[in-house]
Amino acid sequence: EAQVTQNPRYLITVTGKKLTVTCSQNMNHEYMSWYRQDPGLGLRQIYYSMNVEVTDKGDVPEGYKVSRKEKRNFPLILESPSPNQTSLYFCASSLGAGNTIYFGEGSWLTVV
Amino acid sequence: EDQVTQSPEALRLQEGESSSLNCSYTVSGLRGLFWYRQDPGKGPEFLFTLYSAGEEKEKERLKATLTKKESFLHITAPKPEDSATYLCAVRDSGGYQKVTFGIGTKLQVIP
Repeated sequence: EAQVTQNPRYLITVTGKKLTVTCSQNMNHEYMSWYRQDPGLGLRQIYYSMNVEVTDKGDVPEGYKVSRKEKRNFPLILESPSPNQTSLYFCASSLGAGNTIYFGEGSWLTVV
Repeated sequence: EDQVTQSPEALRLQEGESSSLNCSYTVSGLRGLFWYRQDPGKGPEFLFTLYSAGEEKEKERLKATLTKKESFLHITAPKPEDSATYLCAVRDSGGYQKVTFGIGTKLQVIP
């Protein structure tokens, strides 16, 4: 089954404790991205990757890092999480930048 | 800057009561307008892509239409299982074809 898989789905962590949210897709897609979704603000792009070793900032990149060492994986790293990063996070992928975007199931992150 | 505005923010319908959701947009060169459905706590699920004014697409009780300034998602004789948040998004013609999402319309269909 074609899918985008994120882990963990739910996480509560403390301020400053580094964490990584993993994302993997099995569709051989070149384009991957991370979004956060907050009430009243909608989906906002954090980072995107056009291909292996090619990443760039989206609209809200502050406080996040990403890497794309393999085509199928695109982890999101919070080096020093803060409470304002409490949100619902989605990983997404598409065949190319101009193709339909497919989303993962989401990761609920709470930073206390 | 690309903008997407969806209205209404919330809509409550009786089962069988047809209605329409609106998506108004401004974009520097439209390369696609997307409709997604999102259930609570889940990832958005792709419904339609529209590329040019006048284009229409249908899927079961849903029909999406596009003009140069807005798109409508028409829901005919909705059922309770159509309850969800419907998201509209536009892709522009820039370098990496940025996608901008609206906040969504939360639809509730009452039996």
